[in-house]
Amino acid sequence: GQQLNQSPQSMFIQEGEDVSMNCTSSSIFNTWLWYKQDPGEGPVLLIALYKAGELTSNGRLTAQFGITRKDSFLNISASIPSDVGIYFCAGRNTGNQFYFGTGTSLTVIP
Amino acid sequence: EAGVTQFPSHSVIEKGQTVTLRCDPISGHDNLYWYRRVMGKEIKFLLHFVKESKQDESGMPNNRFLAERTGGTYSTLKVQPAELEDSGVYFCASSQTGSRSSYNEQFFGPGTRLTVL
Repeated sequence: GQQLNQSPQSMFIQEGEDVSMNCTSSSIFNTWLWYKQDPGEGPVLLIALYKAGELTSNGRLTAQFGITRKDSFLNISASIPSDVGIYFCAGRNTGNQFYFGTGTSLTVIP
Repeated sequence: EAGVTQFPSHSVIEKGQTVTLRCDPISGHDNLYWYRRVMGKEIKFLLHFVKESKQDESGMPNNRFLAERTGGTYSTLKVQPAELEDSGVYFCASSQTGSRSSYNEQFFGPGTRLTVL
């Protein structure tokens, strides 16, 4: 099946710093999604992207759907302690199947 | 509105035993998904129900796994007999049909952590 390569695997940053993470795939997707998982809970959708080149923001979060449709990135600006968690990218292919990345574990040091 | 609920939250069983996981989706959500995450790896798709029908079960590992969604409401995932490699966190998610955004917005439950010894 399709695989998503998500990087970095983990990040340790100071509060106030910006964060960037990305996902790449060997196959194209019609939709890119970014989720955040807090400890003990399920992933929650942050941003959905539907069109190649699309750039979407949600507060301090910005994500882009790559032009090739094979990649996406998520940026978090001015990180705060509550940004801690695991971030997952996900893609939906032409067969309406969803694939998730391996996650990026974010730690914010106050 | 209640979210997606899963039961149990944790399960520890021995190899060869049977375990049944339950998922209650958000009321009115026709789409129900099961996923599994092994520690450090990706969240892997297992199967997708639309109402009571299996739309896609291509991610089910083998015939030791059986998923049902009788009546199109809650769903169960049974593992019988369990093997060591079945350990992981099993997530259930649901979404509405209709618009593109509602289809893509999957609401996840908190997961069931399964440990097979």
